[in-house]
Amino acid sequence: DAMVIQNPRYQVTQFGKPVTLSCSQTLNHNVMYWYQQKSSQAPKLLFHYYDKDFNNEADTPDNFQSRRPNTSFCFLDIRSPGLGDAAMYLCATSEDPSGPPQHFGDGTRLSIL
Amino acid sequence: AQTVTQSQPEMSVQEAETVTLSCTYDTSESDYYLFWYKQPPSRQMILVIRQEAYKQQNATENRFSVNFQKAAKSFSLKISDSQLGDAAMYFCAYSLKGTYKYIFGTGTRLKVLA
Repeated sequence: DAMVIQNPRYQVTQFGKPVTLSCSQTLNHNVMYWYQQKSSQAPKLLFHYYDKDFNNEADTPDNFQSRRPNTSFCFLDIRSPGLGDAAMYLCATSEDPSGPPQHFGDGTRLSIL
Repeated sequence: AQTVTQSQPEMSVQEAETVTLSCTYDTSESDYYLFWYKQPPSRQMILVIRQEAYKQQNATENRFSVNFQKAAKSFSLKISDSQLGDAAMYFCAYSLKGTYKYIFGTGTRLKVLA
C-alpha cells in the first residue's frame, strides 16, 4: 500500500499561473520534506517540517511556499511558476527527526507552458 | 561547506556479477551519516543503506554493502549478485548529525545487462 501519496503525478501549468502540489502520508511521521529534482540532477531540499515547525532552506526562492495543515498533509505552492521551475517534485517523510528521509512519494512532474 | 561527489555518471554490470559505485565527500565534521538511495525509472526513491560515521563496521543490507573509509572520505556501495531489478539511479547522500539537510551527489545510473 502506498504510504506517501503525491497528487497529481503529472501537472501542467502556464507560465506565471499559481499551482499547488499535494502530499499525504499514512505513516504518521513527524517530519515531511519537499525536494525539487531536475533532470539528471540530485534532489534539492526546498523545505522540511518537523510537526508544524517549518524550515525553509536559505536558497529556496520566495516563489515557493508550503503549508502543513495537519500531520498527514503537506502542500507545495508555487506562486508564479517560471520555466526554470519545471522539475520533478518529491515529497518524503521521516519518523526519526534526526534520521534520513525514509519514504518517498512517486513525485509530481511539473511542466510549464 | 559539505559536498558529495559521484564521479561515475553511468555504470554497467552483467547480471549476477558484482559492481561497486563510488562516492566521496568533503566535510570538516566528525559526526555525520552517509546514505545510498536507489531511484528506479519512474518509481519512488528508496533508502538502501545507511552508515553512521562513528561506527567503524561497514553497513550491510542483504546484497548491498558499503566500504566506508572515513579518513579518505570515501563511501562506496557494492552490489553483489546483481539483478535486473537493481537497474536504477543511485544517489549517495550526506547528513550532519542533528540536522535535516541531506546533501545528495549527482547520481550514478546503473545498467544491468542480461
